[in-house]
Amino acid sequence: AQSVTQLDSHVSVSEGTPVLLRCNYSSSYSPSLFWYVQHPNKGLQLLLKYTSAATLVKGINGFEAEFKKSETSFHLTKPSAHMSDAAEYFCVVSSRNSGGGADGLTFGKGTHLIIQP
Amino acid sequence: DAGVTQSPTHLIKTRGQHVTLRCSPISGHKSVSWYQQVLGQGPQFIFQYYEKEERGRGNFPDRFSARQFPNYSSELNVNALLLGDSALYLCASSLEAGPSYEQYFGPGTRLTVT
Repeated sequence: AQSVTQLDSHVSVSEGTPVLLRCNYSSSYSPSLFWYVQHPNKGLQLLLKYTSAATLVKGINGFEAEFKKSETSFHLTKPSAHMSDAAEYFCVVSSRNSGGGADGLTFGKGTHLIIQP
Repeated sequence: DAGVTQSPTHLIKTRGQHVTLRCSPISGHKSVSWYQQVLGQGPQFIFQYYEKEERGRGNFPDRFSARQFPNYSSELNVNALLLGDSALYLCASSLEAGPSYEQYFGPGTRLTVT
């Protein structure tokens, strides 16, 4: 079984300040972890992924995330927020189930990022 | 290159009816997955198909079924529609079916059941 908890439903930051979106995961097997972004009336876009290589993962648009196994966390950060970053962000976990089949992607409930001018 | 395409974009159906949603994956991708996104929530996994075989199934009733064709396109079928089936249905494709393969999403089909 796998699950994801996004610790904040809404995060508000000022333009130019750092962004931190928090995510904790649970998985019975070695997971792959992803962050996706969904802009209003647009499709889901992959920001970055972790698959047991480097624990610090760099993604598109200046975002990065750090995998911490001891804390079962995969927080998303960006040094300086831009107005165009305003969107819904989803932390996602993927792993195999006990039968070797796919459990699909398990999404968190999402964090709504608001950028103040 | 074209991304994942889905049809139709929007659909309005009446309770009890049947609906078929279609998805074409990115060229070269062999796996297709289906998700349901209810307003204000994250997508929920319905099915994954790889090489025309079901590889995974989420916690959805048997009214939901799917299939994948030899050209890797896919259909999602929902029978006996309920009001609660109103949602955005997302299709995603990936190169292979393993959990480490990133999935690329289409724009979705917005289904409204009245």
